[in-house]
Amino acid sequence: ETGVTQSPTHLIKTRGQQVTLRCSSQSGHNTVSWYQQALGQGPQFIFQYYREEENGRGNFPPRFSGLQFPNYSSELNVNALELDDSALYLCASSLPQLGGSNYGYTFGSGTRLTVV
Amino acid sequence: QQQVKQSPQSLIVQKGGIPIINCAYENTAFDYFPWYQQFPGKGPALLIAIRPDVSEKKEGRFTISFNKSAKQFSLHIMDSQPGDSATYFCAAKRWAGNMLTFGGGTRLMVKP
Repeated sequence: ETGVTQSPTHLIKTRGQQVTLRCSSQSGHNTVSWYQQALGQGPQFIFQYYREEENGRGNFPPRFSGLQFPNYSSELNVNALELDDSALYLCASSLPQLGGSNYGYTFGSGTRLTVV
Repeated sequence: QQQVKQSPQSLIVQKGGIPIINCAYENTAFDYFPWYQQFPGKGPALLIAIRPDVSEKKEGRFTISFNKSAKQFSLHIMDSQPGDSATYFCAAKRWAGNMLTFGGGTRLMVKP
């Protein structure tokens, strides 16, 4: 059973550029969530995708967008990068349970994005 | 505003000690409280989780204590080992919700 894999592991971008981060979910997991973890802080929820649709969004501007593909993999796109976007971006996959609960999130190792 | 406050920010204990990490939440709609362990360069990994219908849960050397009336919960690590040195995060969510709200993290160092 494979875990959650993210690519690339590290990335350096210039302010104003666009970036795409990729995530392959754990085998059998059909829900993918993205989190932003600034240095020394806890992860913050960006959004979740289920059945290729956005299924909840945190307090992030529209320049953060995503996609989920039929094989449940996902992309996070960030436009017009700002210096404060420098962070570790984590992808987590899960399998919705009966009653709508989501638990047992499996996190990837993240993509470290540096905006200069 | 949904918040989870975690303390202390850092903690140093000797091997065999029992570090205790505390969290407090505000949103009474939260009903699932997991703890995650994160090593440098890795994503968070689920350690143990509790729902508010119980006051304590043990898994191996890890114990969660939960106080629903005070809206607080804590993680105890029994017989701590140097390999437990990591950053620990508490989190909370609504059982049917899709968003984990994390605390700010506690960096634990266990000295040999």
